[in-house]
Amino acid sequence: SQQGEEDPQALSIQEGENATMNCSYKTSINNLQWYRQNSGRGLVHLILIRSNEREKHSGRLRVTLDTSKKSSSLLITASRAADTASYFCATVAQFGGSQGNLIFGKGTKLSVKP
Amino acid sequence: DSGVTQTPKHLITATGQRVTLRCSPRSGDLSVYWYQQSLDQGLQFLIQYYNGEERAKGNILERFSAQQFPDLHSELNLSSLELGDSALYFCASSVGRWKSSYNEQFFGPGTRLTVL
Repeated sequence: SQQGEEDPQALSIQEGENATMNCSYKTSINNLQWYRQNSGRGLVHLILIRSNEREKHSGRLRVTLDTSKKSSSLLITASRAADTASYFCATVAQFGGSQGNLIFGKGTKLSVKP
Repeated sequence: DSGVTQTPKHLITATGQRVTLRCSPRSGDLSVYWYQQSLDQGLQFLIQYYNGEERAKGNILERFSAQQFPDLHSELNLSSLELGDSALYFCASSVGRWKSSYNEQFFGPGTRLTVL
């Protein structure tokens, strides 16, 4: 079953606007990671936030983590058409045969119109 | 370019057939992961190898198997194919020690499998 669930499923904005995507998860985590996937391509790692961190920045990306609410958000500021992609949060399986491996949500499809 | 290569890019085959997907990890990476991405199931972890040994198993069917060779490349074998096996199959690699949860994974471009 999916650990992370992104919200919204789809988001359409104009270039220059900010885009916010949310992720909720179910169990305790060591860290949470965000990945981007351009249509039909492989995933690209964006940022990792550890469970003892509340906020992290990387360029135009800002990630927050609220472990009490089991949620994270990814903010892309001043969006560009090139940011059009699907964005996934991923957590690490804590138990079972896939322990230590990433569990992905279903993703948010972001469309940035020029 | 992530440095992870996968072949072939596209594969079209018939039900009941067997196919082999190939992955070469980034230079120096010891861990290889296989994922399946389909519209209904999303991105699912299948299996991980670390330095030639199977380390973790996810939602991998018994009809599927994988191995990692001494040169660290990996192959995913899919047999008795069904229509529902049509999906994108990704390979990823990381430098990673076994079960390290902090390793960034680098994804290949994927193999799109179509089963007719």
